[in-house]
Amino acid sequence: AQKVTQAQTEISVVEKEDVTLDCVYETRDTTYYLFWYKQPPSGELVFLIRRNSFDEQNEISGRYSWNFQKSTSSFNFTITASQVVDSAVYFCALSEPSILTGGGNKLTFGTGTQLKVEL
Amino acid sequence: NAGVTQTPKFQVLKTGQSMTLQCAQDMNHEYMSWYRQDPGMGLRLIHYSVGAGITDQGEVPNGYNVSRSTTEDFPLRLLSAAPSQTSVYFCASNPRGVLLLNEQFFGPGTRLTVL
Repeated sequence: AQKVTQAQTEISVVEKEDVTLDCVYETRDTTYYLFWYKQPPSGELVFLIRRNSFDEQNEISGRYSWNFQKSTSSFNFTITASQVVDSAVYFCALSEPSILTGGGNKLTFGTGTQLKVEL
Repeated sequence: NAGVTQTPKFQVLKTGQSMTLQCAQDMNHEYMSWYRQDPGMGLRLIHYSVGAGITDQGEVPNGYNVSRSTTEDFPLRLLSAAPSQTSVYFCASNPRGVLLLNEQFFGPGTRLTVL
């Protein structure tokens, strides 16, 4: 069975600090997909990134960066120079697509990390 | 495109009542899913569908029914509401992809309270 662990329940930082959100996953499949979603106080889920298991390149998008390490089954998310608008709950998720269906829609989510960025 | 829409936004039910949460998407996505979000538990998959007429159970299906008669709609039915079903419900859709799994597009959620 697949599992996603976000051990950090809540993180508080001061604006402009860098912060890393941890995500550790478990899966028996060799092909899988990892996601990060942001849930601001308004409640909607905002897609941030998708990464497949055969692409271990790290990715940077503005102040956001992701470090994918298959050897440790981790997919960590770093926000550089955090801002108050980054305050949200962040979810890491895992999907194992089915060969039969050609792609999956069954995400396993972690329990989320509440990030609070204060002035 | 409206994306994924959910109605109602808020609902209060009494124990034993039944109701249907509506979900619709206008992106012609094959896949649709229902999740529930509870404090400290993240989102958990209730039911999902890979196309019209095809549905299957997720992690927490008990107490819920679904059907998929059209590509656009994927309603979630609560047969006899219980306080344990108090939650925020999210509907999601995504297109079919063979090698590249596309992101799931989430609706705005329905906040359900069962008294």
